[in-house]
Amino acid sequence: TQLLEQSPQFLSIQEGENLTVYCNSSSVFSSLQWYRQEPGEGPVLLVTVVTGGEVKKLKRLTFQFGDARKDSSLHITAAQPGDTGLYLCADTGGFKTIFGAGTRLFVKA
Amino acid sequence: GAVVSQHPSWVICKSGTSVKIECRSLDFQATTMFWYRQFPKQSLMLMATSNEGSKATYEQGVEKDKFLINHASLTLSTLTVTSAHPEDSSFYICSAGPGLSYEQYFGPGTRLTVT
Repeated sequence: TQLLEQSPQFLSIQEGENLTVYCNSSSVFSSLQWYRQEPGEGPVLLVTVVTGGEVKKLKRLTFQFGDARKDSSLHITAAQPGDTGLYLCADTGGFKTIFGAGTRLFVKA
Repeated sequence: GAVVSQHPSWVICKSGTSVKIECRSLDFQATTMFWYRQFPKQSLMLMATSNEGSKATYEQGVEKDKFLINHASLTLSTLTVTSAHPEDSSFYICSAGPGLSYEQYFGPGTRLTVT
């Protein structure tokens, strides 16, 4: 059974700071997705990466996929309070989606 | 596009009663939908895969007689929590994809509280 580990589990930072969160898999990803979930809502897809070494940018968010397709990072530049939420990485192994435990980010104004 | 809705958004019920949660794909058809459960400060755990026109596939440890799933059409799946108990209190989320793509879109979730 594939296991996804995310670190750190919790992160509290000041507005304007940069941060990086990580996702590591016990096996090669089929396709890696990053989601953000706000309290009381469903997860919202941020990005999907498939190719090893791929880098994608979404405004202040930069997603990197490891060459071996077993790890990924999400970097946020100049964090804002609106970035607060639970960041989840996931692998859709062709059919089912497996989620990591998530990184809970809190950005203080 | 690719919007998934859930109803109700929250529900409170008494122990021993049954509760039905609906998941709808609003602008696409979904032969497969997924049901997840999320306890406070935890990640999403897949409960079952809902298949249109056939029986649902349940994950290990999920009681199929307690969590009844019906996928009656290409846009609607329902999850019924039967004989609910306080330990069933959780956030239930469904997801669906618009086709063969691996991307899923999640509903807003249903908060169930069993008293």
